[in-house]
Amino acid sequence: GNSVTQMEGPVTLSEEAFLTINCTYTATGYPSLFWYVQYPGEGLQLLLKATKADDKGSNKGFEATYRKETTSFHLEKGSVQVSDSAVYFCALSDPNTGNQFYFGTGTSLTVIP
Amino acid sequence: NAGVTQTPKFQVLKTGQSMTLQCAQDMNHNSMYWYRQDPGMGLRLIYYSASEGTTDKGEVPNGYNVSRLNKREFSLRLESAAPSQTSVYFCASRDRISNQPQHFGDGTRLSIL
Repeated sequence: GNSVTQMEGPVTLSEEAFLTINCTYTATGYPSLFWYVQYPGEGLQLLLKATKADDKGSNKGFEATYRKETTSFHLEKGSVQVSDSAVYFCALSDPNTGNQFYFGTGTSLTVIP
Repeated sequence: NAGVTQTPKFQVLKTGQSMTLQCAQDMNHNSMYWYRQDPGMGLRLIYYSASEGTTDKGEVPNGYNVSRLNKREFSLRLESAAPSQTSVYFCASRDRISNQPQHFGDGTRLSIL
């Protein structure tokens, strides 16, 4: 079946530190992959996406590369800011129908000044 | 530019009461979804509607019913609320045909006593 496994949190970093949040997936086929971000009291917002192997999604300084050989889609940012404090979710779309999305459990990030 | 609108934002129910959570989108999306979010469990799909006139069960459908009223609206009903249904509920929509990501509402925080 389809599933997403994400790095457990919470993660606490100092401002300007390097961020990596690991995400691996299991899917029967070639799904599209997504990172969503959730700020307190809000819904999820799309951060970036990649639709095929070796694609790199990027947005607001965040990047993730679709690695088919390692079934991974790790989120990275070179220099985090306090405003990046949020919960981050990795997700994939059903490769066969595209109807369903499967989410990881979320990783909480706190950036301290 | 409303996007996905959920009502109500907060609700407290007593065990056994019924209620309907409303969701409407103004992006002309064909697919709509209901999720619940619980601590440490990420988002779990309750029901989805791939297109107007169709609904399908997700991962955790028991205790819920849905209605795709028209292309814009997708409601979630709890017939007899139980404390285990205390959660944050999110509605999402997407344009499945063009393989777009999901857009989320801000959530309904539901407590069942």
